[in-house]
Parts: sequence; structure tokens; C-alpha cells
Amino acid sequence: QSVLTQPPSVSAAPGQKVTISCSGSSSNIGNNYVSWYQHLPGTAPKLLIYDNNKRPSGIPDRFSGSKSGTSATLGITGLQTGDEADYCCGTWDSSLSAYVFGTGTKVTVL
Amino acid sequence: EVQLVESGGVVIQPGGSLRLSCAASGFTFDDYTMHWVRQAPGKGLEWVSLIRWDGGTTYYADSVKGRFTISRDNSKNSLYLQMNSLRTEDTAFYYCVKDGGGYYHMDVWGQGTTVIVSS
Repeated sequence: QSVLTQPPSVSAAPGQKVTISCSGSSSNIGNNYVSWYQHLPGTAPKLLIYDNNKRPSGIPDRFSGSKSGTSATLGITGLQTGDEADYCCGTWDSSLSAYVFGTGTKVTVL
Repeated sequence: EVQLVESGGVVIQPGGSLRLSCAASGFTFDDYTMHWVRQAPGKGLEWVSLIRWDGGTTYYADSVKGRFTISRDNSKNSLYLQMNSLRTEDTAFYYCVKDGGGYYHMDVWGQGTTVIVSS
């Protein structure tokens, strides 16, 4: 089981905003940088956010990341039907000497 | 264009061995850490292993430690995963992933290859 906990699902209407939390501990989120990945069915995962709040080129500014203490948050504004996907946080765990992913959150656009 | 192409996925019996390969192109392969990540049916992403640019440092998930070995051949721009003592719970889609550099983050993913461990 993952050491990073996310809500199983979130939903909102088109154009609205959703936030996804990722809760960890001092050995992972608390002392390392967090990334966020989008995974659509049948496709390879895509990096959305790295180093807590940086967006790779090509990722729209509707996607944002933040971190506070041992938790991180992904925000998606102006929700679109194409945003329906699974979202997963990830970071290095210094105690495990392993990269860890969150439990994953399914975003549904109502 | 940065590209990662995995191969080697098959149906194999428990206890068997298998080697996955990943051919990289479009970037300077030996500048980057590389990862293997898997997704079992109906489950989330699970990190498997990483290898740093020169092959001198490797890390493994506890679930595969002692059974899987990650390696790379920088002269061939290739990444490998030797999988021994396979278990049914190793059944998954395996992705080859490029690290973005700096603090660990996975910026380029291959399309994946399927490993099914079944009798």
C-alpha cells in the first residue's frame, strides 16, 4: 500500500475548479519535492507538475501545484471534459530509499 | 523527439525469468537517471526501480528487491529490467521512464509493455 494518501475521487462541473490532496510524512513530502502525473486510460502517464509547483512546457497554467508541510495539492481550474483522468502524486521517500506514488484520484467532469 | 520504446513483455509461468528492454532516442541518454514503473490491473502506479546515469547507483522497491535487476547500456541507449522468480503479483503493465533531472520526477514515459505471470 502507498505511503501517500489521496482521495479516491473528486468531481466538478465544466469550468469549475477541483483540488486534489496528497498526504505523506516527513520522510517523503516533508523533505522532498513533489510531482503530479495525469493518467488517461490507454495512454502513458504525463508529467503535470514537478518540484512542487513547476509546470513542464506545454502544460497549461490551469494546472497548479503547492506544498505545505507533509501535504501537497494539485489544483485544476477551468475544468474540461478532457481533464477526466486519474491523477497521482509522487515523490522520493528518504526512509525507504524509493520513489513513491500516491493512491491516485479519479477526476470526473459532471 | 524524445522516445522510449519498451519490449519483452510476455505471458510467463510463476518462477520464471524475463528481461524487459527499453530503447531510448531523441535525448542524451547517458545524462539521465532512468526508471521502471508498473501498473497492475485495476491498481495505481507503482515505482519499481531506478538507475542513475552511469549505472553506479540503483534503487528498488521492496516488492522486487532481490528478484529484479535494473541495468543500462549507454553505448546502446538502452535500459533493461531483468526479472527473476516472477510471481503472479508481478503481472502488470511496465513503463520505461526518463527522469527529468534535478530532484526525481518522471518527465517522459514509454508506451509500456505487458507482463502476465500465470500458470
